[in-house]
Formats: sequence, C-alpha cells, structure tokens
Amino acid sequence: AAGVIQSPRHLIKEKRETATLKCYPIPRHDTVYWYQQGPGQDPQFLISFYEKMQSDKGSIPDRFSAQQFSDYHSELNMSSLELGDSALYFCASSSLQGANEQYFGPGTRLTVT
Amino acid sequence: DAKTTQPTSMDCAEGRAANLPCNHSTISGNEYVYWYRQIHSQGPQYIIHGLKNNETNEMASLIITEDRKSSTLILPHATLRDTAVYYCIVRTYNNNDMRFGAGTRLTVKP
Repeated sequence: AAGVIQSPRHLIKEKRETATLKCYPIPRHDTVYWYQQGPGQDPQFLISFYEKMQSDKGSIPDRFSAQQFSDYHSELNMSSLELGDSALYFCASSSLQGANEQYFGPGTRLTVT
Repeated sequence: DAKTTQPTSMDCAEGRAANLPCNHSTISGNEYVYWYRQIHSQGPQYIIHGLKNNETNEMASLIITEDRKSSTLILPHATLRDTAVYYCIVRTYNNNDMRFGAGTRLTVKP
C-alpha cells in the first residue's frame, strides 16, 4: 500500500539558511500534519492542513511556514535556521472518511551546522 | 485533551504477550484512546484506537476499562521487532493536535 513520502530524507544546512521539506500524503488523504522530533525527545505537533486550509497550529516557530497545495502535497518552509532546529521532521496524513488515524512518513533528518 | 500516564519502560520475553498499561483518568466522553509506536528514529506507526469497546486488529488488542479511565494494549505474541516506544494518546476524533507523551519503551528479549 502507498505510504506517506517525504523528501529529502536528509538535509544539511548552515545557520541562517533556509530549508524546504516536502510531504506527499497517502492518496485520497485530505489532511496533512507536521511534527518535529528533537534528539531524545517525543514528536511535537507543529501544524496541520485540511483541504488546503490550515486547520490547527501547534508549537511552530514564526520562522517556519507551511502550506498544502491543490494536489494535497505539503511543504514546510524554514528560514533563519538555528542549531536548535536540528531534528527529525515527520509528516503524517489522514482522512476524515476513516477513523482519522494518522499515518506517518519516514521523516526528514535536518542537521543545522 | 486528557493527560495519559504510562510506565517508562517494560521488558517482555519473545513469544509472550506484552501488556502495556495506560492511565487516562480525566478522559472525556468524546475522547478516543489511540496507540502508536515508534521504532528507533522511524516515523510513528498507528496501532489501534477505541472509544469504549474493546478492539482487536491484526497488530494488537485494546482493552478499555468500563469507566474508561485506563486501557491496556496487548501484543499477543511479541517479537524482537516489536521493540519500540509505545505511545498512548487520548484525543477527540477531529483534534489534529496529537500530543505524544513520554511513552513506554518496550524491550522484547530473546
């Protein structure tokens, strides 16, 4: 079965640079979520989109923004990167037509040097 | 969303049942119990969820007490590949802000 696709899988950036992470949800899923997981920490919810509109907002820094496009893929844009942004970034998708359980992608490991 | 409490860690022998408890004494009537697991640095994996009835799927069983204040995830025949951090999460059906707590680190031993 098709899963959530994230790209790139690994990304190395320097401080103050920008980064864009991409997420392709499971086909026919209408909701996308972004999570950040720092070293040794649990995943933290950042933001979600339903039908291309922001639906919920968590602990997403103002330096980050995200959007969902007409084909339902989503991009997380991160600017003025800081060392503390080094983390795993997971995207998940779900469908309200189901039980709204979230299916996670393999993650993007961002390293800021 | 209601807060959950789980043991920090548990061990289980390979081939035996793993029973992972979760307390959620402040759960509301419209909140579901979801279980996810995360195998080292992989994306969290959905396991099962329930409202008030016991549930079973190909991965696990979920037993919810009658007062809904606690639940138990049961892996009937644990394998080494079940070693992971297991998260019990309580949330309403349409709440997108899913809060991962500390979870239980399950180690399955040969």
